[in-house]
Amino acid sequence: DVKVTQSSRYLVKRTGEKVFLECVQDMDHENMFWYRQDPGLGLRLIYFSYDVKMKEKGDIPEGYSVSREKKERFSLILESASTNQTSMYLCASSFGGGTLYEQYFGPGTRLTVT
Amino acid sequence: AQKITQTQPGMFVQEKEAVTLDCTYDTSDQSYGLFWYKQPSSGEMIFLIYQGSYDEQNATEGRYSLNFQKARKSANLVISASQLGDSAMYFCAMREASFFGNEKLTFGTGTRLTIIP
Repeated sequence: DVKVTQSSRYLVKRTGEKVFLECVQDMDHENMFWYRQDPGLGLRLIYFSYDVKMKEKGDIPEGYSVSREKKERFSLILESASTNQTSMYLCASSFGGGTLYEQYFGPGTRLTVT
Repeated sequence: AQKITQTQPGMFVQEKEAVTLDCTYDTSDQSYGLFWYKQPSSGEMIFLIYQGSYDEQNATEGRYSLNFQKARKSANLVISASQLGDSAMYFCAMREASFFGNEKLTFGTGTRLTIIP
């Protein structure tokens, strides 16, 4: 079974803190993704990566950065957390090449910034 | 421009009835894929069904089927004989090829389905 794990289910941080969200997948997937989910807005893509050390901006990259030093690990970084970054963050991974492959999701991290 | 539209924010359905969740999409690509995911209250996203743009038959997976009407750009999810465990948020998503040849999903805003005993 594909497994995507995220470092925390719940996280509370203060405004201005640097926040790291970690995601690990165990299926040798090329692609990895970070989304945020907000009520009424669905899932919005923040960043994605299709190879080690490669990254591409999604629809809402402002205020975020990412790191992919190893194929199985994709980190989301909030350089200076703000209250409007309070949200559910979902990591996903998939095989590359073609439109066929579904994305597998982690359990999510609910981040609260106070 | 919104690429995936789910017009039903919430639905209430009697147990054992069939349910249709609407999804329309917009793309100029010839090759694309359409996905439906279920998100129970626990939060995990569960893949349900996939339809490729070149697939001539509507996709089916157990009680789930996808009513794909390419000319109308719609990809509605049909759940037959609904069960209490079907109560969840449902998301429609589309996969297009990105500039680098790898694909990303665009999600709709979701439909919250509640099954009534």
